[in-house]
Amino acid sequence: GAGVSQSPSNKVTEKGKDVELRCDPISGHTALYWYRQRLGQGLEFLIYFQGNSAPDKSGLPSDRFSAERTGESVSTLTIQRTQQEDSAVYLCASSPGTFYNEQFFGPGTRLTVL
Amino acid sequence: QKEVEQDPGPLSVPEGAIVSLNCTYSNSAFQYFMWYRQYSRKGPELLMYTYSSGNKEDGRFTAQVDKSSKYISLFIRDSQPSDSATYLCAMIPNTGFQKLVFGTGTRLLVSP
Repeated sequence: GAGVSQSPSNKVTEKGKDVELRCDPISGHTALYWYRQRLGQGLEFLIYFQGNSAPDKSGLPSDRFSAERTGESVSTLTIQRTQQEDSAVYLCASSPGTFYNEQFFGPGTRLTVL
Repeated sequence: QKEVEQDPGPLSVPEGAIVSLNCTYSNSAFQYFMWYRQYSRKGPELLMYTYSSGNKEDGRFTAQVDKSSKYISLFIRDSQPSDSATYLCAMIPNTGFQKLVFGTGTRLLVSP
């Protein structure tokens, strides 16, 4: 079956612009996560959605970052007024349930802020 | 100090070598330990996971956890050029099961 997909695969933007990154999880997966991977660093947790529960936003680095999810389907991560330090690969993952289950990652969106 | 420390490498080995990849951590609350493999321009994929201390073997891969030393390892036997990738360790604390805490990743290069 189809895996996690993300779009766009690459995004180049100018400092100060807003960007939207999209994630389509695996069908039937109730949990969805966003991570950020800066060059030479590990993945940083950003936000977690589980079904209709309130999302865990504890990893969002500033109020310029926000994310939404429509039911148990697509999610968008929005970065407002982008800064150069936002340049990174943004990875989305989904998993089947609430307790620990394998997280299946998408290929990521490579964001470059000039 | 980072919660999880991992040598970024690169680690270069000849084909057929035994590879040892390691992570240390500081949070004694971590209970689930994972190893992910990430090829260039791809998302990470889960290789191994273990709960608490002990060993787990899967084909050419063996994962070890030593909670007393806060140290985990991944061994790859008979390494192949196709094993060339970045290997990330990840852990889950006892609260917030979904918040994977990752190491920086070790880049492995296996030459034919």
